[in-house]
Amino acid sequence: EAQVTQNPRYLITVTGKKLTVTCSQNMNHEYMSWYRQDPGLGLRQIYYSMNVEVTDKGDVPEGYKVSRKEKRNFPLILESPSPNQTSLYFCASGPGGARNEQFFGPGTRLTVL
Amino acid sequence: QQQVKQSPQSLIVQKGGIPIINCAYENTAFDYFPWYQQFPGKGPALLIAIRPDVSEKKEGRFTISFNKSAKQFSLHIMDSQPGDSATYFCAASIEYGGATNKLIFGTGTLLAVQP
Repeated sequence: EAQVTQNPRYLITVTGKKLTVTCSQNMNHEYMSWYRQDPGLGLRQIYYSMNVEVTDKGDVPEGYKVSRKEKRNFPLILESPSPNQTSLYFCASGPGGARNEQFFGPGTRLTVL
Repeated sequence: QQQVKQSPQSLIVQKGGIPIINCAYENTAFDYFPWYQQFPGKGPALLIAIRPDVSEKKEGRFTISFNKSAKQFSLHIMDSQPGDSATYFCAASIEYGGATNKLIFGTGTLLAVQP
């Protein structure tokens, strides 16, 4: 089944404790991206990657890191989480090009205490 | 200029009604306008999309109307059903030379269709 998977789905952590949210896609997509969803703010892009070893900042990159060492994986790293990073996070992938369709994972609900 | 403004924030209709969700943009370089549907506990999924060379696109009960001069586009759901209850996001993107695939999302509309 073609899909984007994220782990974990739910995570409660404390301020300053490094964490990684994994994202993997099995559709051989070139493009991958991370978004956070907050009430009243919609979906805001954190980082994106056009291809392996190519990443760039989105609209809200502060406090986050990413890497793209393999085509299928695009982990999101929070080196020192803070309470304002409490949010619902989505990973997405897409074939790239003009159509711009993106396929979203199921989401990761992160709470930073 | 990169914003997409979406309204209303929430909407309640009766079964069979026609909810309408509106979006407006400023950047005339946008050339792809998708709508995403999100059910509780799930990620958004592409519902329907339109390009600015057409004024309307229908897929089943879902229709996008596009007004290029007004820089507005809207989603209409015909004969709405309780199963259509979800959050709907409009979005817009620009295809640069190599295509950055950057989608600018609206803030979302929570739709409830009552039986």
